[in-house]
Amino acid sequence: QKEVEQDPGPLSVPEGAIVSLNCTYSNSAFQYFMWYRQYSRKGPELLMYTYSSGNKEDGRFTAQVDKSSKYISLFIRDSQPSDSATYLCAMSAGTTDSWGKLQFGAGTQVVVTP
Amino acid sequence: DAEITQSPRHKITETGRQVTLACHQTWNHNNMFWYRQDLGHGLRLIHYSYGVHDTNKGEVSDGYSVSRSNTEDLPLTLESAASSQTSVYFCASSEGGTTSSYEQYFGPGTRLTVT
Repeated sequence: QKEVEQDPGPLSVPEGAIVSLNCTYSNSAFQYFMWYRQYSRKGPELLMYTYSSGNKEDGRFTAQVDKSSKYISLFIRDSQPSDSATYLCAMSAGTTDSWGKLQFGAGTQVVVTP
Repeated sequence: DAEITQSPRHKITETGRQVTLACHQTWNHNNMFWYRQDLGHGLRLIHYSYGVHDTNKGEVSDGYSVSRSNTEDLPLTLESAASSQTSVYFCASSEGGTTSSYEQYFGPGTRLTVT
């Protein structure tokens, strides 16, 4: 079983809708949580970074972490066709043997149709 | 502007050949990472380095090696290329010693085909 599970999609939504993405994980030691966006044939780019539990908002993007359920979410409000990409969750325990290293989910492909 | 570059962007090679993929960053980051990305597996860590002359194995290191002789570069070598190493390879870097270590910046990727 993978440490980080993410539905590969594709997730297709109409322009203006809310996109809801999530990941589940099995390692209760994870405390650093990230979301990356990857456009086709490009490298991933960091979108959101959250430490421990709680919510974080940045413009149209909201990241949520629920450590008790081992579940993280990313919401994209007022979605645009330019949001069409693959979204990867990533996380780390932050321990000495995992310092700076990330465990990635497989990524969810999102398609926003005009 | 600081950046991270990879070369070549595309490479076709034959089984058994040695191949080296280059990664160069101008962020002056201590940490550098090599990943491969395959459908259904996401990004998997091959090797990583926390500084000059430091290298460590990741979860899929068999058949790969790295060396770090300066801060800017971490070349990835496939000792004897196999068809199972056909993949897209990404290099990444991050600051060392702080929580910013988790903010990784990725290169554009190298698409490698082993025939």
